[in-house]
Amino acid sequence: EAGVTQSPRYAVLQEGQAVSFWCDPISGHDTLYWYQQPRDQGPQLLVYFRDEAVIDNSQLPSDRFSAVRPKGTNSTLKIQSAKQGDTATYLCASSPGTYSNERLFFGHGTKLSVL
Amino acid sequence: GDSVTQTEGLVTVTEGLPVKLNCTYQTTYLTIAFFWYVQYLNEAPQVLLRSSTDNKRTEHQGFHATLHKSSSSFHLQKSSAQLSDSALYYCALSPGTGGYKVVFGSGTRLLVSP
Repeated sequence: EAGVTQSPRYAVLQEGQAVSFWCDPISGHDTLYWYQQPRDQGPQLLVYFRDEAVIDNSQLPSDRFSAVRPKGTNSTLKIQSAKQGDTATYLCASSPGTYSNERLFFGHGTKLSVL
Repeated sequence: GDSVTQTEGLVTVTEGLPVKLNCTYQTTYLTIAFFWYVQYLNEAPQVLLRSSTDNKRTEHQGFHATLHKSSSSFHLQKSSAQLSDSALYYCALSPGTGGYKVVFGSGTRLLVSP
């Protein structure tokens, strides 16, 4: 089966610029996650969806970050005005959501550098 | 809130020797699942082990881990490390209720040398 697809693979921005990341989960997976992984740190949850609904976005910096999953399939994470502290790899993951405690399937991530 | 602690940032071991990566956790949930994910260079994290049963050993690809709720631990071990085991290892937990949130530890880099 096809895995989780993310694009772009890399992005380099100046502070203040905007950027969008796109994720296509595994077909049939109703739960989708966005994680931020700073260099040499573990993935930190930003937001996750069940179908099109946001379940938890408490760790998403709402003043500059936004995430949508309008049809319950693909998802977009957007940073409106990037800061150097946003430099990290942004990972998308999906899971079947048949029951809780499911393993996550990760994409390769988007490596963001903010200069 | 829930948290996962991996105390070693880097573990180095000689090929053929045993290795142990530590993982402890804090959670208020009674029903929980634990995972070890491995991330090879320039690859996505992928699941290595999963367990939700107290005191039951789980094995995969030569690695094993046992969930011990009494000590809040889920350490990863291998009896004979291989060069190909060099990677980042993350311990993670997922509560059985309250949604599908998965919390990761900070990760341990395992470096196996000849």
